[in-house]
Amino acid sequence: KQEVTQIPAALSVPEGENLVLNCSFTDSAIYNLQWFRQDPGKGLTSLLLIQSSQREQTSGRLNASLDKSSGRSTLYIAASQPGDSATYLCAVDIQGGSEKLVFGKGTKLTVNP
Amino acid sequence: EPEVTQTPSHQVTQMGQEVILRCVPISNHLYFYWYRQILGQKVEFLVSFYNNEISEKSEIFDDQFSVERPDGSNFTLKIRSTKLEDSAMYFCASSVAANGELFFGEGSRLTVL
Repeated sequence: KQEVTQIPAALSVPEGENLVLNCSFTDSAIYNLQWFRQDPGKGLTSLLLIQSSQREQTSGRLNASLDKSSGRSTLYIAASQPGDSATYLCAVDIQGGSEKLVFGKGTKLTVNP
Repeated sequence: EPEVTQTPSHQVTQMGQEVILRCVPISNHLYFYWYRQILGQKVEFLVSFYNNEISEKSEIFDDQFSVERPDGSNFTLKIRSTKLEDSAMYFCASSVAANGELFFGEGSRLTVL
């Protein structure tokens, strides 16, 4: 069964710092991997989608990479801002399974002014 | 920008009562999903729906749950007889393609007393 793990569970950084969030998954048979942002008590906002054939995707200050063979993805946030404070979730779209998107538990990011 | 909308934002109900959660997916999307998130836990897949029928469902989606697309715009989740453990945030999502990017609504918080 696919398991998605995110490390660290929580991260606190000063404003302006570059940071990396990690996601690992146990089964490399995936269609794609998607990163989301979740603010407290709110829905999930899609940040980046990486297809299984791709190595990375970029949107503004965000860059996500995918190494399917090793079961890893990273989300790089450049020049972090207090408004980036949220929980970041990684989810994989698995092949041949009964579930659509298996989520990690998330990394709670706090960017301090 | 098109978005997924959900109603109600919060519903409180007594154990054993029926609940219907409503969603309006993005208009040109063809694939629809329900997920739930119990407080402090991972987002979990419930069901996917395409071409007016369920395409995938998880073990959580038992006989107490049903989904329907009663007209061209709404997508509903019904829980026939709610239990305390059904208390969670329920998210609706939609995508334009089978392995495409998922867009989520703001969620409906269900509290079962």
